[in-house]
Amino acid sequence: GIQVEQSPPDLILQEGANSTLRCNFSDSVNNLQWFHQNPWGQLINLFYIPSGTKQNGRLSATTVATERYSLLYISSSQTTDSGVYFCAVMAGGFKTIFGAGTRLFVKA
Amino acid sequence: EAGVAQSPRYKIIEKRQSVAFWCNPISGHATLYWYQQILGQGPKLLIQFQNNGVVDDSQLPKDRFSAERLKGVDSTLKIQPAKLEDSAVYLCASSLGSGAGNTIYFGEGSWLTVV
Repeated sequence: GIQVEQSPPDLILQEGANSTLRCNFSDSVNNLQWFHQNPWGQLINLFYIPSGTKQNGRLSATTVATERYSLLYISSSQTTDSGVYFCAVMAGGFKTIFGAGTRLFVKA
Repeated sequence: EAGVAQSPRYKIIEKRQSVAFWCNPISGHATLYWYQQILGQGPKLLIQFQNNGVVDDSQLPKDRFSAERLKGVDSTLKIQPAKLEDSAVYLCASSLGSGAGNTIYFGEGSWLTVV
């Protein structure tokens, strides 16, 4: 089946810094979503982005489907951005597969 | 709009006991998912329903796990008998449909500890 790899696995930032999270996938996808899991375990959908670029406030995402990767940009990070960021893809069928996540900690 | 509701939020049981989790999806969502998330890992799909039919249950340990979605709305996930390695968060999610283009919405999860 399709493999989803996220990097880096862990990231520590000073408040106000920018960061880029990466998601590589091993096969063509027809759906890609980025999620944020807060420290209480709640998963929130950030972007639905099978291709192209989207922005929402300080967050933006770009997916280059032909090269099988997606990037999530966080600018001017805040302590509330802490948590785990997951990339999830759907390749054929109807099954959505999650990567292992990037654990982000933003220091005040 | 109400989100995905799950209960109980927390459960501690002894190994070989049974447990059941309940999920109420967002109104009108035809697709319902149960994911298992072990600490430090990404969510793993256990079973996916489209209305009251099973779309995928290839990773459901059927010797001990069962799930049903009667009437195409609420769903229950049961574990019997539980093992220590079943300690995890069980996440229920829903979406309007199964295909590409459907955003998945998650509940807060049911945290299971097996001792």
